[in-house]
Amino acid sequence: QSALTQPASVSGSPGQSITISCTGTSNDIGNYNLVSWYQQHPGKAPKVMVYEVTRRPSGVSDRFSGSKSGNTASLTISGLQAEDEAVYYCCSYAGSNSHVFGTGTKVTVL
Amino acid sequence: QVQLVESGGGVVQPGESLRLSCAASGFAFSDFGVHWLRQSPGKGLEWVAFIRYDGRNKDYADSVKGRFTISRDNSKNTLYLQMNNLKAEDSAVYYCAKEGVPYYSHYHFDDWGQGTLVTVSS
Repeated sequence: QSALTQPASVSGSPGQSITISCTGTSNDIGNYNLVSWYQQHPGKAPKVMVYEVTRRPSGVSDRFSGSKSGNTASLTISGLQAEDEAVYYCCSYAGSNSHVFGTGTKVTVL
Repeated sequence: QVQLVESGGGVVQPGESLRLSCAASGFAFSDFGVHWLRQSPGKGLEWVAFIRYDGRNKDYADSVKGRFTISRDNSKNTLYLQMNNLKAEDSAVYYCAKEGVPYYSHYHFDDWGQGTLVTVSS
């Protein structure tokens, strides 16, 4: 299956809110509430920020929130901070016991 | 705390084999499904394979089906990935990651290891 589509880059000033979109199809995002979001800093392993569309793991700031409408999922980061600068990947269950990732979005804090 | 440590990466020629290991600690390994994922240098993430908590179910990405085999030894808290007939496009950092919910399959990737680099080149 094809990768989910994300914008290549999103930027914002400290304190602002930004939203990253993740567009799939009715075979993945549109059919399952199993969308997760991962933050990756350079040279580090990815870290889950949101799972099952809207749920946050313990320890993850409530500045991170997820949503979904149709075939598109979104991650919103509110109160943007310098440490939020990273690459963010969405991921969806794609049926037949498989997963598909997004193309990745580099978040820059201006 | 949860720790996943991959090993076994290296440089191999096309057509050769390699076996990766992932040593787990800090959680009940036998209660969780585990995944292998990979990331080519400068590229995005790709899911590779999954094994259920008891080892009875295994799933693979189409790109590796028939060449890679995932397995686990719950008595040693260790996950494996046997990679045969390696191709240049298999070059990547390989990560192991545990499922977020015990006994569940294909929900999300909770804790990740730091990865091990595999380079396939002649």
